[in-house]
Amino acid sequence: DAGVTQSPTHLIKTRGQQVTLRCSPKSGHDTVSWYQQALGQGPQFIFQYYEEEERQRGNFPDRFSGHQFPNYSSELNVNALLLGDSALYLCASSPRGYGQQNTEAFFGQGTRLTVV
Amino acid sequence: SQQGEEDPQALSIQEGENATMNCSYKTSINNLQWYRQNSGRGLVHLILIRSNEREKHSGRLRVTLDTSKKSSSLLITASRAADTASYFCATLQGGSEKLVFGKGTKLTVNP
Repeated sequence: DAGVTQSPTHLIKTRGQQVTLRCSPKSGHDTVSWYQQALGQGPQFIFQYYEEEERQRGNFPDRFSGHQFPNYSSELNVNALLLGDSALYLCASSPRGYGQQNTEAFFGQGTRLTVV
Repeated sequence: SQQGEEDPQALSIQEGENATMNCSYKTSINNLQWYRQNSGRGLVHLILIRSNEREKHSGRLRVTLDTSKKSSSLLITASRAADTASYFCATLQGGSEKLVFGKGTKLTVNP
């Protein structure tokens, strides 16, 4: 089991550009959540996908959007990049209802995005 | 916004000593989890404690939870240089599946 895999590991983009980050969840997991972690801060929840739909969203602008595919993998898209979007983007996978089941979410190694 | 606040922000100890980190949160929770992060990489899950539990052990880790004070502590006994990392607490509220993280404690274990 490869666990949660994210690609790419590092990315440099210019202000105003668009970026797509990818995540493959752990085998057996159907729910994917995305988090943004700025330097020196804890991760902040962006949104969660289940059954190919956005189910829950954090306090992030519409520039942040996502998609989930039938194989449960997911993409995070950020449009009109700002310098402040520079961060580590983490993907977490879990079985549906893991909150009520009191089970853990598994995180990938993250994608380090630098906006210049 | 971040719910949890870890204390201290940074901790430096010698190998073999115990390390204690504290976490406070604001709202009622379903469970509280502790994660470790090495050098800005991915998060590794350490331990989960449910809201109806008061203490939990896993190897050299001991976690306590006091829901009346909305606080938790993580104790790492007999620390090793390999324990050097940032430690985050994260809460899961009832009815939600988003983890709310604190800012973390940066632990340095000196050999």
